[in-house]
Amino acid sequence: SQQGEEDPQALSIQEGENATMNCSYKTSINNLQWYRQNSGRGLVHLILIRSNEREKHSGRLRVTLDTSKKSSSLLITASRAADTASYFCLASGGSGTYKYIFGTGTRLKVLA
Amino acid sequence: EPEVTQTPSHQVTQMGQEVILRCVPISNHLYFYWYRQILGQKVEFLVSFYNNEISEKSEIFDDQFSVERPDGSNFTLKIRSTKLEDSAMYFCATTGTGGTDTQYFGPGTRLTVL
Repeated sequence: SQQGEEDPQALSIQEGENATMNCSYKTSINNLQWYRQNSGRGLVHLILIRSNEREKHSGRLRVTLDTSKKSSSLLITASRAADTASYFCLASGGSGTYKYIFGTGTRLKVLA
Repeated sequence: EPEVTQTPSHQVTQMGQEVILRCVPISNHLYFYWYRQILGQKVEFLVSFYNNEISEKSEIFDDQFSVERPDGSNFTLKIRSTKLEDSAMYFCATTGTGGTDTQYFGPGTRLTVL
């Protein structure tokens, strides 16, 4: 099975609601990072959580990490139309091909 | 805020031609990476580079690819003989003094191979 899976693949919510995205990985990691990508553009770094951390906050973002389940979640609270984008996790660990694994991404659409 | 820059933003080339994609890292960063994203697919790791050497590479990074830091500032990805399937967005990323820290991505170069 693939490394770096995310769910849901697509999420559509109303402005003001919370959005939760999940990421699973296969190898052990040093850290896990979350990025946002607006259509056809570059990757904007959102937050990094290390393997010895369980939860981290940054503004409206909350990230959790469960290394026993090899999964992470990103919560965006009080979403805005400007949050509409694709969100990716990047798991860093392993070696070679598996050193840096991106998730498949969640396409978030926030309706005004 | 310092940022990673990449040139060109879009490169069109004929199959079999060589291309060089350029990246200017954030000035005090020591770790450099190349990734690619084929249209509609996920971002894939190609190679990481530290202390003028490749530190990790993926299965995608075969003999057609090479990286170097020719002048201490630019970080380049060369594809020797492009194939149609090399068409993708190529992203450069850099990390500061700690190899396990945040990776900052450039805006990407869209490579189209005809």
